[in-house]
Amino acid sequence: DADVTQTPRNRITKTGKRIMLECSQTKGHDRMYWYRQDPGLGLRLIYYSFDVKDINKGEISDGYSVSRQAQAKFSLSLESAIPNQTALYFCATSEMTLDTGELFFGEGSRLTVL
Amino acid sequence: GQNIDQPTEMTATEGAIVQINCTYQTSGFNGLFWYQQHAGEAPTFLSYNVLDGLEEKGRFSSFLSRSKGYSYLLLKELQMKDSASYLCAVLDSNYQLIWGAGTKLIIKP
Repeated sequence: DADVTQTPRNRITKTGKRIMLECSQTKGHDRMYWYRQDPGLGLRLIYYSFDVKDINKGEISDGYSVSRQAQAKFSLSLESAIPNQTALYFCATSEMTLDTGELFFGEGSRLTVL
Repeated sequence: GQNIDQPTEMTATEGAIVQINCTYQTSGFNGLFWYQQHAGEAPTFLSYNVLDGLEEKGRFSSFLSRSKGYSYLLLKELQMKDSASYLCAVLDSNYQLIWGAGTKLIIKP
């Protein structure tokens, strides 16, 4: 089983619908991240959390919200999806600060907004 | 602004050597990462450089020159399974990762 699991892996939805992407991890890491990946662009950080009570906006948080339900769970919500939110979304974890360790990514959630 | 540049695509032959370059302009520097991403899969960690010089890890090596804002990833004895995208990322002064768009490496027999 994957250490970082994302659900759903694929989702097609319509403009205006509410969507939730879920991430769970068994690595025991405190730090969790949500990224989106678009063709021709680098990964962009949406939100990150250093522990259950800590939530921080990333580079592109507008139109998104997150919830850290437990150390192991970090979900990303699109309250009213729009077509330019069509992308591949990755959840990631890290044990410590990024200068001391790597990111571990989930397998990705491909979202299409029609 | 912050910027990471790497070639969009490269082609190499099985068994050969390829060098993928990455140049960066960022607000501060706390290290440079290389990740490998096979099509449709998650990125996986390859290397981390924070000091100048060459770090070797099996068939893969990563080089860093902080004064030039430059790194490269060197892949030796290329195998078909090395066909993937290679992502360069820099940790800036706020410990935020700035990612390049990735280099798609195509290996031909």
